[in-house]
Amino acid sequence: EAGVVQSPRYKIIEKKQPVAFWCNPISGHNTLYWYRQNLGQGPELLIRYENEEAVDDSQLPKDRFSAERLKGVDSTLKIQPAELGDSAVYLCASSLGVTGAVETQYFGPGTRLLVL
Amino acid sequence: AQKVTQAQTEISVVEKEDVTLDCVYETRDTTYYLFWYKQPPSGELVFLIRRNSFDEQNEISGRYSWNFQKSTSSFNFTITASQVVDSAVYFCALRPSGGSYIPTFGRGTSLIVHP
Repeated sequence: EAGVVQSPRYKIIEKKQPVAFWCNPISGHNTLYWYRQNLGQGPELLIRYENEEAVDDSQLPKDRFSAERLKGVDSTLKIQPAELGDSAVYLCASSLGVTGAVETQYFGPGTRLLVL
Repeated sequence: AQKVTQAQTEISVVEKEDVTLDCVYETRDTTYYLFWYKQPPSGELVFLIRRNSFDEQNEISGRYSWNFQKSTSSFNFTITASQVVDSAVYFCALRPSGGSYIPTFGRGTSLIVHP
C-alpha cells in the first residue's frame, strides 16, 4: 500500500514568490496534518484537517499561508508571498480519523523549501 | 504551556553498544500522551511508541525499551545492542489528551552508530 505522497520533494524560489505543496494521504485516512520543520528543530503543527474541515489551525500564519482539502482527500498548502524565514521542510501526515482516538500518524517524506 | 527537552543534541556510539536517549517534559495537563518518533535520512518520521500519562508501565519491543517516570517528568528511550540502521534523529513529543491535538516536539537527538 502506498504511503503518504508529497510533491515536490525540493523547491527553490526567490523571496516574495508564491509556492505550493501537495499531499496525498494514505487511502482511507480521514485526518490530514501539515507540519513545518525548521533545521535542527522538531516538527510544528500548522493545520489539521478532519475530512474537509480545517481544525487546529492556530499555528498557521494566516497572513501568508493558506491550505485547502476540497474533497477530503488530497491537500495543498500555499505560501504567498514567501519570506526567507519560510525555508524549512514541510511535512504532511495522515491518520485514520477515528473520533476521540489518539491515532498513529503516518508521515510523508516532506518538501524541502529554500527561499533565496 | 508545554515543553519537551531533549538535552542530547548528538550521540555517537559504536555498533553493539547500548544507548539511552533522554526526554524531559513540562505540562500543566493532568492527562497527556507521550511519543517517540524516528527520522531517518530519508526524511519521513516513523512512529515508535505512544504512552498514556496514567500508564507508567515500562515497555520493551525487541531492542527498544522505554522508561516512563511521571515523578521526574521523563520518558527515556533505550536501544540495546545498537546497529548502524539505528542511525537517525529521534524525537520525543507531548500532546494533551483532550482539547487541542497540537503536539509539542523536542528538538531531536541525532544518533550516529558507527560500524
